[in-house]
Amino acid sequence: SQQGEEDPQALSIQEGENATMNCSYKTSINNLQWYRQNSGRGLVHLILIRSNEREKHSGRLRVTLDTSKKSSSLLITASRAADTASYFCATDQGGNNRLAFGKGNQVVVIP
Amino acid sequence: GAVVSQHPSWVICKSGTSVKIECRSLDFQATTMFWYRQFPKQSLMLMATSNEGSKATYEQGVEKDKFLINHASLTLSTLTVTSAHPEDSSFYICSAEDRQNSPLHFGNGTRLTVT
Repeated sequence: SQQGEEDPQALSIQEGENATMNCSYKTSINNLQWYRQNSGRGLVHLILIRSNEREKHSGRLRVTLDTSKKSSSLLITASRAADTASYFCATDQGGNNRLAFGKGNQVVVIP
Repeated sequence: GAVVSQHPSWVICKSGTSVKIECRSLDFQATTMFWYRQFPKQSLMLMATSNEGSKATYEQGVEKDKFLINHASLTLSTLTVTSAHPEDSSFYICSAEDRQNSPLHFGNGTRLTVT
């Protein structure tokens, strides 16, 4: 299966700042999803963007998708200490939830 | 919201023994569940798709005789790591979909350590 790949970032930011993460992938997709993982725990679904969408918002989250560049970004605005986690993008090539996960970005928000 | 319970949360076993991990959907029926493994500070790798009432579909490179998957009911899938060896030590995670092609709900994972 294909692999989504984030830029290898470990972000350390101050509370209140924005955090941006990027993800690139290699093949065509049906949709791209972002997940969050707290240390040693399962994943929590954050947002899904379909291949025919370019931007999506959910609360403090903003996701963009550029299918021509095969890339996506996740922006977390006004970060909070509780946003400290690893964030993964995952691509769904066939629309059947067989997800290919990227490497993940570790975000640390300093209170 | 939809809850997926994974048990045990951690297990230590001796080399050569088998370990069973359970994944339950608590408040919804899941015809499809997925199993992943994750090495420290790395991404999740999809191992197999578990379909209720039929054989699991394994990803390339995953030994089906090594990682036995059973999805006998709409709320339970099990992963059995047979004849475990230290290299099988990993974090195993399951997920389930409550509607076809809807976002997945994940269990909290099982930390397997094989000594």
